[in-house]
Amino acid sequence: NAGVTQTPKFRILKIGQSMTLQCTQDMNHNYMYWYRQDPGMGLKLIYYSVGAGITDKGEVPNGYNVSRSTTEDFPLRLELAAPSQTSVYFCASSYLPPGPQHFGDGTRLSIL
Amino acid sequence: GQQVMQIPQYQHVQEGEDFTTYCNSSTTLSNIQWYKQRPGGHPVFLIQLVKSGEVKKQKRLTFQFGEAKKNSSLHITATQTTDVGTYFCAGPTNTGNQFYFGTGTSLTVIP
Repeated sequence: NAGVTQTPKFRILKIGQSMTLQCTQDMNHNYMYWYRQDPGMGLKLIYYSVGAGITDKGEVPNGYNVSRSTTEDFPLRLELAAPSQTSVYFCASSYLPPGPQHFGDGTRLSIL
Repeated sequence: GQQVMQIPQYQHVQEGEDFTTYCNSSTTLSNIQWYKQRPGGHPVFLIQLVKSGEVKKQKRLTFQFGEAKKNSSLHITATQTTDVGTYFCAGPTNTGNQFYFGTGTSLTVIP
């Protein structure tokens, strides 16, 4: 079982560029989450989804967008990259809340 | 808004010493989860506590949920170098769809 797969693992962007962080899970989990983790800090929820076609904002949604067209995929879009978005991004899924969340390996993103 | 605080932020111990991290919520929690993140890795689920006053053990790790369901603790007995990492608690929002993660406690074990 692959679990939660995130791509890319590393990326450097220039200010103003856009990109999509990919996340896919093969556990048939309904709930999916995007977090960002700044150095030495905890995880902040960006967006989450309770099922295909349904998304909602978390604590820090500004500057990001998501979509959930299938159960498996939950991409995160950065439209106009800013230095403040330099962070490690984790995607997670769970079968039901408040069940355990399974995390991907993360995407380390630098905006220069 | 809901907040989940953890103390201490950092802890350095000699191998073989005990370690405890504390998690406090500003609101009553329906449950609390604990995760471990190794340096450079991703959070890995350890355990979930649901009942008031609940105590669960995993080998050298003891997890406790407070009577008022607003605080929790993780205690490691006789630390080993494999215990190195950051330990996070996480509590759900009122809807249960989201989780607030604590700030984490980074554990360093000195051999």
